[in-house]
Amino acid sequence: AQKITQTQPGMFVQEKEAVTLDCTYDTSDPSYGLFWYKQPSSGEMIFLIYQGSYDQQNATEGRYSLNFQKARKSANLVISASQLGDSAMYFCAMREGVSGGYQKVTFGIGTKLQVIP
Amino acid sequence: GAVVSQHPSWVICKSGTSVKIECRSLDFQATTMFWYRQFPKQSLMLMATSNEGSKATYEQGVEKDKFLINHASLTLSTLTVTSAHPEDSSFYICSARGSGPLSWANVLTFGAGSRLTVL
Repeated sequence: AQKITQTQPGMFVQEKEAVTLDCTYDTSDPSYGLFWYKQPSSGEMIFLIYQGSYDQQNATEGRYSLNFQKARKSANLVISASQLGDSAMYFCAMREGVSGGYQKVTFGIGTKLQVIP
Repeated sequence: GAVVSQHPSWVICKSGTSVKIECRSLDFQATTMFWYRQFPKQSLMLMATSNEGSKATYEQGVEKDKFLINHASLTLSTLTVTSAHPEDSSFYICSARGSGPLSWANVLTFGAGSRLTVL
């Protein structure tokens, strides 16, 4: 079964508008964490935001906020006031504990966001 | 902030040769490093998790003898692609997690990636 599901292969958004990128997850570990990363065409992975499973409030980092719906197992990324430089691939990722006592981080398939002037 | 240096950025090699990719944490001690592989326009596929001083834990379907991972120190992990073949051509990315606070925020740092082309 997919651990991280991103159902939007591509999204368009008008510059200065807000956009929501969807992410749902599946885990049996009660202590887990969710990340969003941005990957521009250069290939580097840029950390955007993190949400721990026990965090009471939704995480925010500047123009990025994470809409954490624990019961629904969703962790959508909201980008406010989109900029042309936001055009990139966006990956949702989850860390969870696995057998053997170690943690691993797995990624969704990504959403390609294009900001239109 | 935490920086992870990965090199080489690009490498082209002949089929049958071995290639080593290094991943270094520059300003923190990386207790755990993850190695990912990414095909064009696809997601990152976790290959293995390495903890300093112990053997790497490989994901199902990843050949241990093909992709040798060493994490000999708290600042260095290496991935060696042995007897490389054209199908091994890919983008390989490492990430490192530091020790210290329990919070995972900002402690999973990625290298810039290494693009391997096997002729």
